[in-house]
Amino acid sequence: DAGVIQSPRHEVTEMGQEVTLRCKPISGHDYLFWYRQTMMRGLELLIYFNNNVPIDDSGMPEDRFSAKMPNASFSTLKIQPSEPRDSAVYFCASSFRLAGGTEQFFGPGTRLTVL
Amino acid sequence: KNEVEQSPQNLTAQEGEFITINCSYSVGISALHWLQQHPGGGIVSLFMLSSGKKKHGRLIATINIQEKHSSLHITASHPRDSAVYICAVLMDSNYQLIWGAGTKLIIKP
Repeated sequence: DAGVIQSPRHEVTEMGQEVTLRCKPISGHDYLFWYRQTMMRGLELLIYFNNNVPIDDSGMPEDRFSAKMPNASFSTLKIQPSEPRDSAVYFCASSFRLAGGTEQFFGPGTRLTVL
Repeated sequence: KNEVEQSPQNLTAQEGEFITINCSYSVGISALHWLQQHPGGGIVSLFMLSSGKKKHGRLIATINIQEKHSSLHITASHPRDSAVYICAVLMDSNYQLIWGAGTKLIIKP
């Protein structure tokens, strides 16, 4: 298996533009997580899905952020409009079952820079 | 007080030294993860454990549930072990992952 795939790996955009980050989880995994990593706040969980359904989005910073999972093999995290403070590395991770018996597997991350 | 505390924050050692990174937590957990993040930014899951001890190559992870403490050990350290090591706990109440601040490890040749 290729592991969790994220695209793009790097994104540079201007303030106010829409940004869409993409994630393909490991086949067969039923949980998908979006994390954000910044120097100031470390790693933060933004949202996670179980069987394509959003379970907890309490970490989504504000309404400018939205995430979807239209099917088991694809998820998007959208920021509209983007702001410089959104600059961070965004990680997607997937796992099979959430209870203590499984690990989360991380994608390589998308480094977002908003100018 | 942070729910997950790692120590030390920074660690520099010579190649070949035995390395220990500690993680203490204050919440009820169902599992604890050790992850590695290289300078390029990618995150790799090293271990997930809920009791006892796990070993993978030169890496050993232990957890003491009663003490709410885990350690990550690296034997015969090598410069390629240089990375940030992160402890994260999976809460047993709501399955949230709570992250430690990370330990930046530098191994000098």
